[in-house]
Order: sequence, then C-alpha cells, then structure tokens
Amino acid sequence: KAGVTQTPRYLIKTRGQQVTLSCSPISGHRSVSWYQQTPGQGLQFLFEYFSETQRNKGNFPGRFSGRQFSNSRSEMNVSTLELGDSALYLCASSYGTSGGDSQYFGPGTRLTVL
Amino acid sequence: AQSVTQPDIHITVSEGASLELRCNYSYGATPYLFWYVQSPGQGLQLLLKYFSGDTLVQGIKGFEAEFKRSQSSFNLRKPSVHWSDAAEYFCAVGDSGGGADGLTFGKGTHLIIQP
Repeated sequence: KAGVTQTPRYLIKTRGQQVTLSCSPISGHRSVSWYQQTPGQGLQFLFEYFSETQRNKGNFPGRFSGRQFSNSRSEMNVSTLELGDSALYLCASSYGTSGGDSQYFGPGTRLTVL
Repeated sequence: AQSVTQPDIHITVSEGASLELRCNYSYGATPYLFWYVQSPGQGLQLLLKYFSGDTLVQGIKGFEAEFKRSQSSFNLRKPSVHWSDAAEYFCAVGDSGGGADGLTFGKGTHLIIQP
C-alpha cells in the first residue's frame, strides 16, 4: 500500500497570508490527524478527522482549521499567518481513531513564514 | 492530562554497542504506548507499539521495548546499533479510552552513533 502523502512538501509564505496543506491517507484509513512540529514546542496535536467529522482539536487558535472529504483526504488551512506558524506540519492516518489505533505519518510539509 | 518525558535530549553510542532510550509517561489508566523514529527532513516512522498483553514488544529494525507499569516506563532497546540508527526518537502515549485526542509526544532523544 502507498503511504501517507502530503503536498506540498515545502511552502514559503509571508505574514498575513493564508495557506492550505493537503494530506492523502493510506488507502482504507478513515482517520486523519494533524500535528505541528517546532524546535521549541516539539510535536503538538492540532486536530483529528474521522469520517469527515472533526473529533477533537488541540490547543491552537481558530486560525487553524481543517476538513476531511468523503475519500478521507484531508486539508488544513492556516489563515493570517504569523512568524510563529513556521513549522513542519505532519499528517497521520489510522484505520480507527487516533487513540486506539496505530498512526502512520507522512513526510510533512515544511512551512516557512517570512 | 497525559504526558511523556524523555529524560535524555542527546545520547551518544558507539556502533555495535547496546542502546536504551528512556521514556516515562503519566496517564490515568493503562495507556497505549508508541515509539517513533524521525530521520532529518522526514516524517515519523512507527517502530513499535504496546496496547496490551506481553509487556515486552518487538518492533522493526531490531528494536524492542518493555512496558513497566510500576515505573510508568516504556524504554526502547536495541542490542547492537548501526550507524543508520542515528536519528531522533520519540515516545508517545495514546488514549486507551478510545478518544480522539491524538498522540502526546515526548520531546525526543537525539541519537548519535560514533564509529
């Protein structure tokens, strides 16, 4: 099976812009979770989607949003970008919800905000 | 709230030597536990997981980990490291209650392999 894919791999944006990242899960997986990885804060849970419904959201401002489509592909959007949003954004998929199943990660999207 | 502590930020090991990476967790019940590895510029690769049953779990690449409830630990071990094992290692805890809170990760341990 193909693994989790994320596009684009690299992005450079300026403050105030918005950005959309895409994630295609492993075939048959219904859950997609997003994580932000920074040197200072480490890996932090953003949100999880299961069967097109947001199941939970981490402690991030409303500028961070996402959605999941009927084919389980997911997108996350960050509006009004700030310098602190520069990070590696990782997507993970699992068959069941994140709590009870193994999550498999994509290669990430490296976002740089100037 | 659940938490994970990886006490060692960096560890240096000679090639061929044994390895143990420490992980302590805080969780109200029996947790789901994971070890992931991340190479530079890459995503995370699942090494092994513990859900229940045998407390010694085997993973890929010759790694194993032991769940010790009394010590709230889930240490990762490998009997003989290879230069290709140099990477960042993350311990994580998941919600065994079936929630959707994602994984809680430790800060990671950077493994350096000396020739």
